[in-house]
Amino acid sequence: GAVVSQHPSRVICKSGTSVKIECRSLDFQATTMFWYRQFPKQSLMLMATSNEGSKATYEQGVEKDKFLINHASLTLSTLTVTSAHPEDSSFYICSALTRELGVTDTQYFGPGTRLTVL
Amino acid sequence: QKEVEQDPGPLSVPEGAIVSLNCTYSNSAFQYFMWYRQYSRKGPELLMYTYSSGNKEDGRFTAQVDKSSKYISLFIRDSQPSDSATYLCAMSGDSWGKLQFGAGTQVVVTP
Repeated sequence: GAVVSQHPSRVICKSGTSVKIECRSLDFQATTMFWYRQFPKQSLMLMATSNEGSKATYEQGVEKDKFLINHASLTLSTLTVTSAHPEDSSFYICSALTRELGVTDTQYFGPGTRLTVL
Repeated sequence: QKEVEQDPGPLSVPEGAIVSLNCTYSNSAFQYFMWYRQYSRKGPELLMYTYSSGNKEDGRFTAQVDKSSKYISLFIRDSQPSDSATYLCAMSGDSWGKLQFGAGTQVVVTP
């Protein structure tokens, strides 16, 4: 299957700082990437849909000015958590959409980034 | 009511047993159905996907979709301790990209 990487895998920061998380599709091009967050023992919640070359589409209740998304190329999307606070501490996971030959679109996930805001 | 319902478990089975997982959903527009496996502190890994109703088998895994009942299942044969993980069902309608996830079922396979 396709490989999606995320960097960093873990980050600890002070309240008020900004944190950037990178999501890369390693062996395929992805015009669409997604950003999720997951709280302990809970399922994934979609935050936003990132399309290469255009503005991201945010889900209801997600602050676009707080969670800045940039899909600069077909293999890279970044999520910046601005002025992070302890309540932003979570597991952030990206995924990338690929159309495999003869098959419908498939969504592959990155390994996730654990953000802890002190 | 959630669009996708999944029992969070935990579901504990002895090694070698069949693991049976299921999800129900309410949105009749869902057409694409997936099962993901997620180990602790890792991203979800795609296990199976099916389109519309029917069965699909891949090694020890069998996925079933019954659209008339709005019910999907995943069976794991000859379970191994390495199968211990959280299994998430996910589904989407016309817009593939926006997946609706179940809560995930934690599975523990004991040696």
